[in-house]
Amino acid sequence: EAGVAQSPRYKIIEKRQSVAFWCNPISGHATLYWYQQILGQGPKLLIQFQNNGVVDDSQLPKDRFSAERLKGVDSTLKIQPAKLEDSAVYLCASSLRWSASSSTDTQYFGPGTRLTVL
Amino acid sequence: KNEVEQSPQNLTAQEGEFITINCSYSVGISALHWLQQHPGGGIVSLFMLSSGKKKHGRLIATINIQEKHSSLHITASHPRDSAVYICAVSHQGAQKLVFGQGTRLTINP
Repeated sequence: EAGVAQSPRYKIIEKRQSVAFWCNPISGHATLYWYQQILGQGPKLLIQFQNNGVVDDSQLPKDRFSAERLKGVDSTLKIQPAKLEDSAVYLCASSLRWSASSSTDTQYFGPGTRLTVL
Repeated sequence: KNEVEQSPQNLTAQEGEFITINCSYSVGISALHWLQQHPGGGIVSLFMLSSGKKKHGRLIATINIQEKHSSLHITASHPRDSAVYICAVSHQGAQKLVFGQGTRLTINP
């Protein structure tokens, strides 16, 4: 079974530039998550999709970050314009299902994209 | 104060030692997760538990719901166990994971 795929693996940009990350979840997984992990910290959820709908984007800085999952499969996360504090690893994860009445399903993580903003 | 606190932040031990990593959380949860992150690599889920104890190979995870505390144990530690171990919790009706800051474990040969 193929895992969660992410690209690119590394990206270096200057502040105020734009950048986009791509994620392809495990086939058949309905739920997709984007996390931001700043060096030395645990991951922080940016946005959660259930199929092509947004479940939680409460911690997404919507003035500069956007994400979409148009066909309910792969997803893109965009930053425009980037700031120095956006330097982090951006992790994508997917899980098979999600139900408000059940415990969280196991999440499978991709390798991440390491973003450096200069 | 973070909702999920781990201790220690860094741990160095010799091969063969018994390892314990602790996790405390401040509010009720539906499940607690232990994950492993290798340098430059992605995150792998080790355990998801809501009560009692789970064992997989040399890894054991326990949780005490009343005390809001969980521990991850590694028996007969090996250099390949060197990684960051992360505790995360999920809440009923809000399925996002809230992560601790991680514990960096180094096992020396």
